[in-house]
Amino acid sequence: QKEVEQNSGPLSVPEGAIASLNCTYSDRGSQSFFWYRQYSGKSPELIMSIYSNGDKEDGRFTAQLNKASQYVSLLIRDSQPSDSATYLCAVKEYSGGGADGLTFGKGTHLIIQP
Amino acid sequence: SAVISQKPSRDICQRGTSLTIQCQVDSQVTMMFWYRQQPGQSLTLIATANQGSEATYESGFVIDKFPISRPNLTFSTLTVSNMSPEDSSIYLCSGQESYNEQFFGPGTRLTVL
Repeated sequence: QKEVEQNSGPLSVPEGAIASLNCTYSDRGSQSFFWYRQYSGKSPELIMSIYSNGDKEDGRFTAQLNKASQYVSLLIRDSQPSDSATYLCAVKEYSGGGADGLTFGKGTHLIIQP
Repeated sequence: SAVISQKPSRDICQRGTSLTIQCQVDSQVTMMFWYRQQPGQSLTLIATANQGSEATYESGFVIDKFPISRPNLTFSTLTVSNMSPEDSSIYLCSGQESYNEQFFGPGTRLTVL
């Protein structure tokens, strides 16, 4: 049984600060890791993907992966009120051919306080 | 990324009936998937929609309840059969262009009375 764990929050962060979101996963066969942002009433939007250990930066977002610890995180710098949303961590196992769906965590509700 | 549309966007159905949800992608994708998001919950994979062959279902989901078709590389349907109030959920279609990244449609909000 693949499991992806996230702190449900809410996580409250002042505007302009760094928001840190964490995720752990149980399946060591997981090879691909994703962060989705979901606004209330909307579908998930892909914001970051990471496949190798270390950091990956894209604008104000940095994803960090540590496969040995089975841990993936998302940092949001200079947090804005528009970043307030639920952030979903998703993992994918490698089985060749890319035919696997995603296993999602329950999401962390992030609130950026103006 | 591909743009994904779904129809209907929402529906209210009676117990015991069936609803077919359509998913259309504006460009060819390698894979299509169907997910369910129950109220206040995260997403759960229902099945992989395989072009021209039977869908691959996840544990807990069966073809008789959730028949899926994918006649070509840009279109898929999910039917929710013999509905009960427990089937009330948001049903999401996703497409995968590259090897890994999936993008989601807007979802279909289903309420079963």
